[in-house]
Amino acid sequence: DVKVTQSSRYLVKRTGEKVFLECVQDMDHENMFWYRQDPGLGLRLIYFSYDVKMKEKGDIPEGYSVSREKKERFSLILESASTNQTSMYLCASTPGGWYEQYFGPGTRLTVT
Amino acid sequence: EDQVTQSPEALRLQEGESSSLNCSYTVSGLRGLFWYRQDPGKGPEFLFTLYSAGEEKEKERLKATLTKKESFLHITAPKPEDSATYLCAVQATTQGGSEKLVFGKGTKLTVNP
Repeated sequence: DVKVTQSSRYLVKRTGEKVFLECVQDMDHENMFWYRQDPGLGLRLIYFSYDVKMKEKGDIPEGYSVSREKKERFSLILESASTNQTSMYLCASTPGGWYEQYFGPGTRLTVT
Repeated sequence: EDQVTQSPEALRLQEGESSSLNCSYTVSGLRGLFWYRQDPGKGPEFLFTLYSAGEEKEKERLKATLTKKESFLHITAPKPEDSATYLCAVQATTQGGSEKLVFGKGTKLTVNP
């Protein structure tokens, strides 16, 4: 079974802090994705990556950056956290293309 | 603008009471439609992929169908453990030739014993 893990289930940070969310997949998948999920807005794509060191902006990249130095690891960085970035963050991976996405358990981030 | 609309937003059923969830979409260049199940506090879990109108997929009490404008997730004789939010997502091709995935907001299903 594909396993996607995320570094934290719950995280509380202060406004202005730099925040790192990490995602690791163990099935040698090419593509990895970061989403945020908010009530009433559904899942929205922040960034995705087709390969190591490659990244593409999604629908809402503002205020975020990403890093993919190794194939299995995809990090989401909040350069200066703000309260409107309080959300559930979900990482996903696929072997190629968009196809069936395998999601991690999510990180619930609260910015105070 | 590409859109995916799920209805109803919430649905309460009694155990054994069959029903359907709807996912309607307006996208150009449909490449695939996906159904996911999401339990509270967890990430979505993949259920089905449908690629063309007329296609059907089944898994236990769930059956997904696809037409040119919408997809249905039929739930036959549901059990309380089927309670979850069901998400629909559509893979589409943009005018620029790139691909994207558009998610609906989900239907929250509650099955009472």
